[in-house]
Amino acid sequence: DAEITQSPRHKITETGRQVTLACHQTWNHNNMFWYRQDLGHGLRLIHYSYGVHDTNKGEVSDGYSVSRSNTEDLPLTLESAASSQTSVYFCASSEKGGDSDTQYFGPGTRLTVL
Amino acid sequence: AQSVTQLGSHVSVSEGALVLLRCNYSSSVPPYLFWYVQYPNQGLQLLLKYTSAATLVKGINGFEAEFKKSETSFHLTKPSAHMSDAAEYFCAVRSRDDKIIFGKGTRLHILP
Repeated sequence: DAEITQSPRHKITETGRQVTLACHQTWNHNNMFWYRQDLGHGLRLIHYSYGVHDTNKGEVSDGYSVSRSNTEDLPLTLESAASSQTSVYFCASSEKGGDSDTQYFGPGTRLTVL
Repeated sequence: AQSVTQLGSHVSVSEGALVLLRCNYSSSVPPYLFWYVQYPNQGLQLLLKYTSAATLVKGINGFEAEFKKSETSFHLTKPSAHMSDAAEYFCAVRSRDDKIIFGKGTRLHILP
C-alpha cells in the first residue's frame, strides 16, 4: 500500500545545530507540504512543492529550507535550530489537479530544541 | 483570501449525545471545504469534503457536514457520540493555488 513516512519520529537537538527531517511518499504525488503544529495555532504551512525542483515558501518559512530532487522525497532542513522551532512537524502530499485537495499526512516528527 | 474560523477550541459531549463542531469560512470564490480528524499521536486524515455538489456531505465514522452559503458555515455533526470520536478536528478551505488553509482546531472530549 502507498504511504507517507517521516523520520525520525522524535528528535532532540541543541540550539544552533542543523537538523534535517525526512519525508518520503510512495503515492507518486506531485504536491508535497511541510507543516508545523503548535498549541493554539493549528497547522501552519512552512514550505511546499508542486514537483521536482519546485519549492515555495509558506507562511512560516523563516529558518527552514527544503529541496525537491525527486518525486518521493521532500526533506526539511533547519539551518540553525532555535528553541522557537520546538514543535511537531507534519509532512503531507496530494495529487496534482482535480483531487489535489485531499492531502495525505505522515505520522509526524516531534522536535525538541534545547 | 480564504480562511476558516472554528468556534471553540474544546468541546465536551456525553457518550451518545449529539456532536456539533462549528466552522465558518471566508472565501471570495465558491469554496472547497474540508474536515480533517487527528487522533492522538497521529497525522491528520480526511473526514469529509465539500466540492460544490451536494450541500449535505457524508463522511467516515457517521460524521456529516452541511454547507450553508447564507451563513458561511460548514458545521460538523454526528447524531450519537462514541468514545472513539475523541480527537482533534480541523476545518479547512482550499486556496486558489492548491494549498489547504487549516483552522486552529477543536478538541472533542467524550464524557462517559
